[in-house]
Amino acid sequence: AQSVTQLDSHVSVSEGTPVLLRCNYSSSYSPSLFWYVQHPNKGLQLLLKYTSAATLVKGINGFEAEFKKSETSFHLTKPSAHMSDAAEYFCVVSDLSSNTGKLIFGQGTTLQVKP
Amino acid sequence: DGGITQSPKYLFRKEGQNVTLSCEQNLNHDAMYWYRQDPGQGLRLIYYSQIVNDFQKGDIAEGYSVSREKKESFPLTVTSAQKNPTAFYLCASSLQPRADQPQHFGDGTRLSIL
Repeated sequence: AQSVTQLDSHVSVSEGTPVLLRCNYSSSYSPSLFWYVQHPNKGLQLLLKYTSAATLVKGINGFEAEFKKSETSFHLTKPSAHMSDAAEYFCVVSDLSSNTGKLIFGQGTTLQVKP
Repeated sequence: DGGITQSPKYLFRKEGQNVTLSCEQNLNHDAMYWYRQDPGQGLRLIYYSQIVNDFQKGDIAEGYSVSREKKESFPLTVTSAQKNPTAFYLCASSLQPRADQPQHFGDGTRLSIL
């Protein structure tokens, strides 16, 4: 069965410093992995996705993530945080066992950006 | 602009009442999904539909019902059997019900009990 664990429930950084949001996954299959961002009282927006192509995936707004099979990790990074990056971030893995497009969500990481 | 429209943005339910949340998409997507989000938690799948006139229960379907009579529409009814309905409800769609397809989300409906 697939699962995903976000290692930090809350991350706080200063504006202009790097961002690291950690995610580990468990999957019996070659996984499809996603990162989504959610601003308050809004829906989720796709930041990036990994689907067995290049292991370093570039997304929107300067975010990128690296798929490391040996470490079963898919951490999200950004070189320099902006105030507008403050939001909830979800690491997501596809439920490949059902072939229905179902997604399995992590618990979320709240990113705080201090001026 | 293509996208997913959820309405209303806020909804209040009285005891014993059924309420229906609307979800419409103009992306020509085959698959649609309903999620429930509680504070500090990830999203949990309520129901999903891979194609018109077909839908399946997700992980927490009890107390909810859906229909998929048109490709563009996937309304969710929260019945009186759902004893703890207060939550943020999100509708999503994907081009096809495949593992490599990202889902597109609406802006949600917040349901509260009067």
